[in-house]
Amino acid sequence: EAQVTQNPRYLITVTGKKLTVTCSQNMNHEYMSWYRQDPGLGLRQIYYSMNVEVTDKGDVPEGYKVSRKEKRNFPLILESPSPNQTSLYFCASSPGGIAKNIQYFGAGTRLSVL
Amino acid sequence: GQNIDQPTEMTATEGAIVQINCTYQTSGFNGLFWYQQHAGEAPTFLSYNVLDGLEEKGRFSSFLSRSKGYSYLLLKELQMKDSASYLCAANGGSYIPTFGRGTSLIVHP
Repeated sequence: EAQVTQNPRYLITVTGKKLTVTCSQNMNHEYMSWYRQDPGLGLRQIYYSMNVEVTDKGDVPEGYKVSRKEKRNFPLILESPSPNQTSLYFCASSPGGIAKNIQYFGAGTRLSVL
Repeated sequence: GQNIDQPTEMTATEGAIVQINCTYQTSGFNGLFWYQQHAGEAPTFLSYNVLDGLEEKGRFSSFLSRSKGYSYLLLKELQMKDSASYLCAANGGSYIPTFGRGTSLIVHP
């Protein structure tokens, strides 16, 4: 089954404790992205990757890191989480490089930073 | 820069028709997308327009006017399960989409 898998689905952590949210896709997609979604602000892009070893900042990259060592995986790293990073996070993949670049989203990770 | 505008909330009655509007400004243009998102779930793809005109897909249709930077999503024969947030997204020159804040549609009996 074609899917984007992100883990964990729920995470409660404390300020400053490094964490990683994993994302994996099995559709051989070129593009992968991370978004955060907050009430009233919609989906905002954190980082995106157009290919292996190619990553770019989105609209809200501060406090986050990503890596794309393999085509299928695109982990999101919070080196020192802060309460303002409490949010709902979505990973997405897409074929890339074509106009009908449909985004396929993972189920989401709800993060609370205390 | 990129800018997407859509209404925050709309309400409609079961069985009725509703039109959700979206205006956009992008650097380059490679298509306009609509996604549906139920509360607590991931967005899912609904429709795509790259040329002017209407695309129909069952109860859902989407319209695009590139010259006006305008799109709408039309939902017919509304059902309670259509209560969701509808996200308008425009692809810019890099094929990376910019999403609007979403329109929360409430369908009541």
